[in-house]
Amino acid sequence: GQQLNQSPQSMFIQEGEDVSMNCTSSSIFNTWLWYKQDPGEGPVLLIALYKAGELTSNGRLTAQFGITRKDSFLNISASIPSDVGIYFCAGTSGNTPLVFGKGTRLSVIA
Amino acid sequence: GAVVSQHPSRVICKSGTSVKIECRSLDFQATTMFWYRQFPKQSLMLMATSNEGSKATYEQGVEKDKFLINHASLTLSTLTVTSAHPEDSSFYICSARDGARGVGYTFGSGTRLTVV
Repeated sequence: GQQLNQSPQSMFIQEGEDVSMNCTSSSIFNTWLWYKQDPGEGPVLLIALYKAGELTSNGRLTAQFGITRKDSFLNISASIPSDVGIYFCAGTSGNTPLVFGKGTRLSVIA
Repeated sequence: GAVVSQHPSRVICKSGTSVKIECRSLDFQATTMFWYRQFPKQSLMLMATSNEGSKATYEQGVEKDKFLINHASLTLSTLTVTSAHPEDSSFYICSARDGARGVGYTFGSGTRLTVV
């Protein structure tokens, strides 16, 4: 099935550093979502974006819905060990199923 | 917030047997349920979409006779893996959406299926 281009694929960072990851699509979406998945668990929604240009924060997380509606980024500031996990972007248009990125595996070194 | 309960979380079954996985929306009506499959270190791949009271729509390459989906009520959907084989071993995750209220895309905690 269709997938989004998500990068980077993996990141190793020091605790306290900021993190940035992004997704691009060849299609226009009207909703972008960012999820975090821990091993053996389902994805948990971090941030939902519904309008082009929208910038939304959730604690240390900030995400933006690109103006072109074909991209989105997620920033994590001042990373901590519990930020470790796999982050997925997902997009949808209307009632269509979510299309997922391949994920960014984040490792935080204390 | 919206909660989706999925169980069992883990199941081991013998080859040739069938396994049923349940997914319930606890505090909203799931007009649409999505079933995903995830292999190790890979992303989620959509298997099928089901709307309450309707037949499920399967993605290309997914055998509808092997992966039976039932969405008989607004709070419950089930996925039955029939005549399971070792290659069906995977992580199965459901997602529920309330289209009427725009409550969207809440995921269950997943089911790890191992077929031996």
